[in-house]
Amino acid sequence: GAVVSQHPSRVICKSGTSVKIECRSLDFQATTMFWYRQFPKQSLMLMATSNEGSKATYEQGVEKDKFLINHASLTLSTLTVTSAHPEDSSFYICSAERLAGGPWVGELFFGEGSRLTVL
Amino acid sequence: AQKVTQAQTEISVVEKEDVTLDCVYETRDTTYYLFWYKQPPSGELVFLIRRNSFDEQNEISGRYSWNFQKSTSSFNFTITASQVVDSAVYFCALSEAFYNQGGKLIFGQGTELSVKP
Repeated sequence: GAVVSQHPSRVICKSGTSVKIECRSLDFQATTMFWYRQFPKQSLMLMATSNEGSKATYEQGVEKDKFLINHASLTLSTLTVTSAHPEDSSFYICSAERLAGGPWVGELFFGEGSRLTVL
Repeated sequence: AQKVTQAQTEISVVEKEDVTLDCVYETRDTTYYLFWYKQPPSGELVFLIRRNSFDEQNEISGRYSWNFQKSTSSFNFTITASQVVDSAVYFCALSEAFYNQGGKLIFGQGTELSVKP
């Protein structure tokens, strides 16, 4: 079964509203989670690295005030799209790394994705 | 800078044909990981393989096989005797192998494979 779960899987909202997407690691603790965005027929682009207990690290060109990321616990990261507009419509996918200790040899798990449509 | 190139945007084959999906990568790191993922129309990413830069052995898993060649910076994926269920978008990806940052993937543009009956 899924070890990383995203919710909601689909959301439709009106322009100007804010939408929160949750990413949970179900059976392991994840100090680091990653958020990606995928436009239709395009590749996945890393938006930010979510760090438990500290500020997220955003990739160049991603507006931190637009895409708020909170990683308040070792099993939950949230992405809030603030004042969403139609151009924010996209598929958002999170991932989490289950570390095995020492240098990185962990397994990487992706959530099921959340499809956001802004009307 | 890291980069992954999948030059084939779309491939269409007839069932039972073999098909190879190309992946070329660029990195200045000596230690890195390469991945292949399958993305069916439902959208979720299905993990296929991970290979670290020290392991150049080819791998076979059922109808799937991978050819990793550091000399040409390529990590190609072959499906033997393709089936309709193989129809999906396939992504090649690269990551650095630093502690706690290994999940930071750089994806290729993806190759949409269509297998017709």
